[in-house]
Amino acid sequence: DADVTQTPRNRITKTGKRIMLECSQTKGHDRMYWYRQDPGLGLRLIYYSFDVKDINKGEISDGYSVSRQAQAKFSLSLESAIPNQTALYFCATSERSGRRETQYFGPGTRLLVL
Amino acid sequence: GENVEQHPSTLSVQEGDSAVIKCTYSDSASNYFPWYKQELGKRPQLIIDIRSNVGEKKDQRIAVTLNKTAKHFSLHITETQPEDSAVYFCAASDTSGTYKYIFGTGTRLKVLA
Repeated sequence: DADVTQTPRNRITKTGKRIMLECSQTKGHDRMYWYRQDPGLGLRLIYYSFDVKDINKGEISDGYSVSRQAQAKFSLSLESAIPNQTALYFCATSERSGRRETQYFGPGTRLLVL
Repeated sequence: GENVEQHPSTLSVQEGDSAVIKCTYSDSASNYFPWYKQELGKRPQLIIDIRSNVGEKKDQRIAVTLNKTAKHFSLHITETQPEDSAVYFCAASDTSGTYKYIFGTGTRLKVLA
């Protein structure tokens, strides 16, 4: 879905470095999420935000921080990257429509921490 | 909180056969259950979903069934085709008022031609 974009798409960094992954959306959705995908572990929620002033921790927030700069932008930071943060990271957005809430995913950022 | 288990982790079927993927959830208050398909190198995309007030939903070759009493739901794909090969994720809505999803660990489906 081209309405949700992530940059960079691939990143190699070294242990201890600070990096930022960015997500932008043109869908006009108020809710944004960051997930991490590891083989055999599915998609695990890192942080989520329901509006610009709302930031919430997910299942695995340790070692990560986020910033919701605007309704359309949600950034994920690794303050001091470590090798076990090597993973595929997805941003997602949603809006609530009745009792159904579809999440739309970005293309993913593949991160390798050496 | 909610916990979702998904089985099997891998599934191989012959083209034209049916495939069934099963998920169980722990929170009886969960009320929304989406299924996502992730092709190799691509993002997860919603293929079908079901609400807790419905027992079954069908969309062409794909169907989802929900058993609220047993707290499990299943994805059924009939007349499988090679393009159905992908990883499939189930999810259940978290009922803490935040409408987050808890995802299963995924099933890698291979359709053999």
